[in-house]
Amino acid sequence: DIQMTQSPSTLSASVGDRVTITCRASQSISIWLAWYQQKPGKAPKLLIYKASRLQSGVPSRFSGSGSGTEFTLTISSLQPDDFATYYCQQYNSYPITFGQGTRLEIK
Amino acid sequence: QVQLVESGGGVVQPGRSLRLSCAASGFTFSSYAMHWVRQAPGKGLEWVALIWYGGTNKYYADSVKGRFTISRDNSKNTLYLQMNGLRAEDTAVYYCVRDSAAAGDPSNEIDYWGQGTLVTVSS
Repeated sequence: DIQMTQSPSTLSASVGDRVTITCRASQSISIWLAWYQQKPGKAPKLLIYKASRLQSGVPSRFSGSGSGTEFTLTISSLQPDDFATYYCQQYNSYPITFGQGTRLEIK
Repeated sequence: QVQLVESGGGVVQPGRSLRLSCAASGFTFSSYAMHWVRQAPGKGLEWVALIWYGGTNKYYADSVKGRFTISRDNSKNTLYLQMNGLRAEDTAVYYCVRDSAAAGDPSNEIDYWGQGTLVTVSS
């Protein structure tokens, strides 16, 4: 199985900050990576697919990059609504696997 | 609008069975692959199973293979997860989710999620 490792596990930041979350795969997954945002008590929401494609309706301050084994999710200017937990997901091969999550909290 | 409504969760003893259902509406259910994803309390996301739009192909996580069965009834717009031999570690919120690709092979990108149903395995 492909292991996905996110860093950091927790990130403290302020409104207006630029933040980056990293996701590393245990083997190459090409561009088959998605990012999701989850708020407490809610279902996750798709933000980015195919490593860098923005899902319809997602603000342009979110961006994704990377290929192979290393990927990043960047939020260019944090908004109050962005404080949540973020997960990466690989879908290069079955079983589909998720990273352990990165909790983005208010500093 | 797309709606996915799970049901069937509850408290069950270890070793027993439970069947989850997911009623889909707002899209052509028979055209989309569907997945189950679960989340243990306070933990991360775990993919559980996938079924092709026609129901022919299925994939499972190693942790549930041989115990869980995913199925669908396209005439009823309903997805199922039959869970047998339940264990304490199966305790989680189970989400019914839609694959983003219409027809053909699944994209494995999840664009819609239900609100989830809680399964608690405890004696």
